[in-house]
Amino acid sequence: GENVEQHPSTLSVQEGDSAVIKCTYSDSASNYFPWYKQELGKRPQLIIDIRSNVGEKKDQRIAVTLNKTAKHFSLHITETQPEDSAVYFCAASKSFGNEKLTFGTGTRLTIIP
Amino acid sequence: GAGVSQSPSNKVTEKGKDVELRCDPISGHTALYWYRQSLGQGLEFLIYFQGNSAPDKSGLPSDRFSAERTGGSVSTLTIQRTQQEDSAVYLCASSFGTGGPEYFGAGTRLSVL
Repeated sequence: GENVEQHPSTLSVQEGDSAVIKCTYSDSASNYFPWYKQELGKRPQLIIDIRSNVGEKKDQRIAVTLNKTAKHFSLHITETQPEDSAVYFCAASKSFGNEKLTFGTGTRLTIIP
Repeated sequence: GAGVSQSPSNKVTEKGKDVELRCDPISGHTALYWYRQSLGQGLEFLIYFQGNSAPDKSGLPSDRFSAERTGGSVSTLTIQRTQQEDSAVYLCASSFGTGGPEYFGAGTRLSVL
């Protein structure tokens, strides 16, 4: 089955700096890669996703890149703000919306004011 | 409804008792997923329903776990003879089965004493 590895497990950055979280996946059939943000005690919230027919997608301060050949994808947050502090999960799926997600183990991001 | 609804939000039970957790997906979503999140851990897939198809039960950890989805909408996850290791947050998600991201409920925090 699919295996998703996520690094780093914890990340601290100064407010205003950029943060990068990386994930690798094992199953070349995976073609959908969402990122979820989970604040303490809250539900995971989808923040951005990418499908395998594109290499990069951007939404304001958040971007995701995908390298299908290397089977890795990354989340980039620029101009970080205190409200970006949360746990971020990457995930992979073989289909967009009708297949289970396999999640990474999460990255606890702390923004230092 | 506006989002995925789960009940109860918290459940405390004694070891050996049975529990039922409920999930009400977003209206119109044909796909429904259950995940489990242990303290400080990632999300572990349990079971997936898609329309009238047979559910994907490949993530259920033991035969004490079962789930039903009645009328293609509400789902109930049942854990029989609960054990302390069952303590976790149980998250439900739904999506348009023909394509679309998964949206999560707030979860049920299960504590087995």
